[in-house]
Amino acid sequence: GEDVEQSLFLSVREGDSSVINCTYTDSSSTYLYWYKQEPGAGLQLLTYIFSNMDMKQDQRLTVLLNKKDKHLSLRIADTQTGDSAIYFCAEYGGANNLFFGTGTRLTVIP
Amino acid sequence: EAQVTQNPRYLITVTGKKLTVTCSQNMNHEYMSWYRQDPGLGLRQIYYSMNVEVTDKGDVPEGYKVSRKEKRNFPLILESPSPNQTSLYFCASRRTASYEQYFGPGTRLTVT
Repeated sequence: GEDVEQSLFLSVREGDSSVINCTYTDSSSTYLYWYKQEPGAGLQLLTYIFSNMDMKQDQRLTVLLNKKDKHLSLRIADTQTGDSAIYFCAEYGGANNLFFGTGTRLTVIP
Repeated sequence: EAQVTQNPRYLITVTGKKLTVTCSQNMNHEYMSWYRQDPGLGLRQIYYSMNVEVTDKGDVPEGYKVSRKEKRNFPLILESPSPNQTSLYFCASRRTASYEQYFGPGTRLTVT
């Protein structure tokens, strides 16, 4: 499989912005995804970006893609306690396969 | 409501006792997959299916079987479970024309 890397932990104060980073290895990846996993729950598709885009914004979420550096980031504006979860970056690897990072546990401090 | 469902949600079993985890989707999706999630490893694909009667191995297929006799169902079969198959399992589905993959709520399996 592909190597998708994320830092394991991130803590932010409520109201601040959170930035979760991810690096991937397959330059031919067509789609890159962000999923959210709350405790005891499945994976929720937050957003995704096509590889020919640099940025995608959806309400409080902004995804930035740097294809040259194979770097993907998710910015959450005005982070709330309900945003506390594990966030997974994933790249589409063909054959209906998504290659996931290990996940970043975001803790929002009230 | 459009969803992917899995049963059971929690299962504790013993080594060697055959089990099946069911997965069903009501969105008429062609593609379905099974993943396992282990600490520090993210999610890894076990098997996938592009449509009825079409299945193929993912990255970690050893010890698992699947079948796709109907479009909505994609059961995961462990013929002889072993403790190293203790994990959190997710089923997922998507339409052929879409790259949005939807996940079920997960099945936590413990093999003693």
